[in-house]
Amino acid sequence: DQQVKQNSPSLSVQEGRISILNCDYTNSMFDYFLWYKKYPAEGPTFLISISSIKDKNEDGRFTVFLNKSAKHLSLHIVPSQPGDSAVYFCAASDSGNTPLVFGKGTRLSVIA
Amino acid sequence: GAGVSQSPRYKVAKRGQDVALRCDPISGHVSLFWYQQALGQGPEFLTYFQNEAQLDKSGLPSDRFFAERPEGSVSTLKIQRTQQEDSAVYLCASSPIFSGGRREAFFGQGTRLTVV
Repeated sequence: DQQVKQNSPSLSVQEGRISILNCDYTNSMFDYFLWYKKYPAEGPTFLISISSIKDKNEDGRFTVFLNKSAKHLSLHIVPSQPGDSAVYFCAASDSGNTPLVFGKGTRLSVIA
Repeated sequence: GAGVSQSPRYKVAKRGQDVALRCDPISGHVSLFWYQQALGQGPEFLTYFQNEAQLDKSGLPSDRFFAERPEGSVSTLKIQRTQQEDSAVYLCASSPIFSGGRREAFFGQGTRLTVV
């Protein structure tokens, strides 16, 4: 049973437009959420995170929104750039040092 | 180096062969995690160390999988009698003791294991 779900395997967006990647979770004990970006043949790279005490965290072109009641989070990238093309993983954890639980990822393609 | 280093990058093993995968975490990082990533899937947790103590090995798929971190730095993941279903990318991640609630882990490039 998947605790973190990314229901869109792929997403294609035009350069300059907004990319919205979605993630749903089922475990109500999760209180910290992260997004990782992965290029081919590389390990995942941390992008942005959010604690459950917040509903929004922004870092440059990247913003993560958290809706606890819906158990849903989203990553917004604006404006999207071709270099953003990668696989994006949503991850969650439920206490200080427990392992991250990952979704299956969404492949983002930003078209010039 | 500055990041998490894994070796080898690629490993081809014949079915039944034993393999050992190495992870050099970021210096000073207390926590070390191993994940398995099958094709088209997200990373799945295997095991976790805090310093030299293996605190959680609930994700190891069978007793053919064994991990150690004897001196609290370098870790080795060993797979005995490899099977085709063991083919995957094995990712190692480390993290320090963060303050302020941060919990991100830093990943290596992974070892791609192919069992033939």
